[in-house]
Amino acid sequence: DGGITQSPKYLFRKEGQNVTLSCEQNLNHDAMYWYRQDPGQGLRLIYYSQIVNDFQKGDIAEGYSVSREKKESFPLTVTSAQKNPTAFYLCASSIDSRVTTEAFFGQGTRLTVV
Amino acid sequence: LAKTTQPISMDSYEGQEVNITCSHNNIATNDYITWYQQFPSQGPRFIIQGYKTKVTNEVASLFIPADRKSSTLSLPRVSLSDTAVYYCLVGASGGYSTLTFGKGTMLLVSP
Repeated sequence: DGGITQSPKYLFRKEGQNVTLSCEQNLNHDAMYWYRQDPGQGLRLIYYSQIVNDFQKGDIAEGYSVSREKKESFPLTVTSAQKNPTAFYLCASSIDSRVTTEAFFGQGTRLTVV
Repeated sequence: LAKTTQPISMDSYEGQEVNITCSHNNIATNDYITWYQQFPSQGPRFIIQGYKTKVTNEVASLFIPADRKSSTLSLPRVSLSDTAVYYCLVGASGGYSTLTFGKGTMLLVSP
């Protein structure tokens, strides 16, 4: 089955620790995205990548880092510099970055920092 | 970027037709209108996209008037499983990364 997979579904970390969220897709998509969603809110763009070995900051990149070494993988690291990391994180991919292409989302990772 | 305005919430009953209107007064010539659906604790799912007039697929219809300053997502004969948040997105220039998922419209379908 083709799709986009995020793992783990739930993640708990202590304050001050870095944590990496996994996102893998086997759809052969060039573009990948990371969003953050807080309760009752919409999605906010953290980082996006239009092609392998390239990525750009989104609206709320501070405290996060990404890499895009492989086409199918776009991991997100939540660093200790992120002041309020507890949230629902969503990864998405699309054939390319044009708005006319459909974006496919993963099931999300719910991160709780205690 | 074109800003969108949607109702925060809507209520309906099973079997009814639901119309969710999105206002986008500043829509640009190249902008497309896209709707996504999100269930709790899941990622959004693409529903439909259009540029002008009417678009229909197996899930919904999208009505866009000539001035394109608004659009209406129509869900025929909703069921309980249509309870979700519906997002209206408008954009084109700059690519997908500039699409903004606002708070959307929470649709509650009751028996």
